[in-house]
Amino acid sequence: DAGITQSPRHKVTETGTPVTLRCHQTENHRYMYWYRQDPGHGLRLIHYSYGVKDTDKGEVSDGYSVSRSKTEDFLLTLESATSSQTSVYFCAIKGTGPEQYFGPGTRLTVT
Amino acid sequence: GDSVTQMEGPVTLSEEAFLTINCTYTATGYPSLFWYVQYPGEGLQLLLKATKADDKGSNKGFEATYRKETTSFHLEKGSVQVSDSAVYFCALSDQGFNKFYFGSGTKLNVKP
Repeated sequence: DAGITQSPRHKVTETGTPVTLRCHQTENHRYMYWYRQDPGHGLRLIHYSYGVKDTDKGEVSDGYSVSRSKTEDFLLTLESATSSQTSVYFCAIKGTGPEQYFGPGTRLTVT
Repeated sequence: GDSVTQMEGPVTLSEEAFLTINCTYTATGYPSLFWYVQYPGEGLQLLLKATKADDKGSNKGFEATYRKETTSFHLEKGSVQVSDSAVYFCALSDQGFNKFYFGSGTKLNVKP
């Protein structure tokens, strides 16, 4: 257990509304990641952070923004949610080794 | 770019059968390789890893060997149990360890 929590765990929202997902870690790791999981695609990287206020895009970053104002929190924002963003979102951290550790996920449904 | 390809599922086996899930990769340099397992409704858990060629990762009866010559990291278990039913993901991290690339996942169903 790498001390990662995600909130909310489930959310239903309407098309066009803004949504923010939160990832919180308790172990002061530098690297944090946001992925989305969709059937047939595995996990795809949305954005990642390598320190406070230091972020970079992943392979599916369009329509998403992130912020990291504190080491422990990494926020993912959908500025105007679309049905194509219905997915399960996972946060992850990189520990002292090369492996990543994952949070429990947030299931987002955009209607 | 870096990528991972793993066999499509679902894979259905009887309890105590031998398991192989194939995984091949494309990468520049010397990536680290991983297998993760996901149980229903949960996040991904690290199952095993290998950080250099010819390394064998093992955990809970599962094994995988990092084969650079065939760019493969196949997951094996000699005798599966019903409790092994889950989705298995092969992944690699780039040489800087900053980004991961995942396969599409293989669902394993083990019947009693």
